[in-house]
Amino acid sequence: GAGVSQTPSNKVTEKGKYVELRCDPISGHTALYWYRQSLGQGPEFLIYFQGTGAADDSGLPNDRFFAVRPEGSVSTLKIQRTERGDSAVYLCASSLAPNTGELFFGEGSRLTVL
Amino acid sequence: RKEVEQDPGPFNVPEGATVAFNCTYSNSASQSFFWYRQDCRKEPKLLMSVYSSGNEDGRFTAQLNRASQYISLLIRDSKLSDSATYLCVVNTGFQKLVFGTGTRLLVSP
Repeated sequence: GAGVSQTPSNKVTEKGKYVELRCDPISGHTALYWYRQSLGQGPEFLIYFQGTGAADDSGLPNDRFFAVRPEGSVSTLKIQRTERGDSAVYLCASSLAPNTGELFFGEGSRLTVL
Repeated sequence: RKEVEQDPGPFNVPEGATVAFNCTYSNSASQSFFWYRQDCRKEPKLLMSVYSSGNEDGRFTAQLNRASQYISLLIRDSKLSDSATYLCVVNTGFQKLVFGTGTRLLVSP
């Protein structure tokens, strides 16, 4: 499809495990964002990439969270030593250019940490 | 204080009603503003941008008040299909888009 693709759609893991979430943005979109959304809350900004570099990672909650985008396309969000509080829907979005305000979101990866 | 604040609702209105949502933002240097719509268990989608002069798209009108640091969304002649969560989004600078918690709208027959 032509939209933003996220895998896995659902991930159940145990506390302390390592998790990777993948995002495949719309072809040609240079800007890529990761957000986290908990029930009843709006999306919480985590990190923004422009090309391969993380232009703003101020939303990453702590050093257990890390994201990469090595070739300027697919991005992976990595969470080490998962905690129950990490349970949420992780949303990826891309846009054609920064500052347009129009983000195209994927359907999200629902992470449950038991 | 949160960067973007919204009344979470829910707003319960009958079909045909007019309803308005407000959103306040804390960073006076914020550059651009948007409303997104999110259906239950779906991803957010852009509804409309908010311009300084105000803008209208069919039944939807968005306004910006920079002096008071708030934006608004007005929906006229509400439809059942308007039931959703409306997210206020602010570009606080350097392409960081901050979302509010969302305002839930329920339109009933």
